[in-house]
Amino acid sequence: DTEVTQTPKHLVMGMTNKKSLKCEQHMGHRAMYWYKQKAKKPPELMFVYSYEKLSINESVPSRFSPECPNSSLLNLHLHALQPEDSALYLCASSQVPGQVFYGYTFGSGTRLTVV
Amino acid sequence: DAKTTQPNSMESNEEEPVHLPCNHSTISGTDYIHWYRQLPSQGPEYVIHGLTSNVNNRMASLAIAEDRKSSTLILHRATLRDAAVYYCILRDTQGGSEKLVFGKGTKLTVNP
Repeated sequence: DTEVTQTPKHLVMGMTNKKSLKCEQHMGHRAMYWYKQKAKKPPELMFVYSYEKLSINESVPSRFSPECPNSSLLNLHLHALQPEDSALYLCASSQVPGQVFYGYTFGSGTRLTVV
Repeated sequence: DAKTTQPNSMESNEEEPVHLPCNHSTISGTDYIHWYRQLPSQGPEYVIHGLTSNVNNRMASLAIAEDRKSSTLILHRATLRDAAVYYCILRDTQGGSEKLVFGKGTKLTVNP
């Protein structure tokens, strides 16, 4: 299995809702990432997990809460979002530094719309 | 974060070679040069990476300048499926973790 699977593919949520995005990989990668991408812009890094521990938080607002319950799963919990948070949310995984590196593998993303 | 500079857009004809340039004058000795591409409505896709020597794989070649301040991604025969945004990125490793920070990229148009 050489894929990163993201669910759901599309999500519409209200500003008072709580929802979660899910990301799964079975490549044995121990580093996982969340990116946010607005239309016609490059992906922006949000969080980095290394060996299931949060190692980098790029000053992301607390209404976004990441979780890595095991080495194959990465979640992004969403609460009290704003319409400007509407974007494509991308998950990626890779080997950790020090291991043989073959690049990041990205999922196809979750298209989030906040209404 | 070390920065890269790429042209906003480039055009090529199908079955012709394409040379996509990238400047990274502030690169440090341990930064790897990565290239990713993003097709419409998809997540980014790894293309190639290198440190000092030129690299080849089934998708492309990467030519790295001797001073490492610039690099060029070479697609040997462009196809319509190569139309995408191509990102040149410096892999930044800090404290055992690492991050890829995307720049604006080059939008490649391939004409039939």
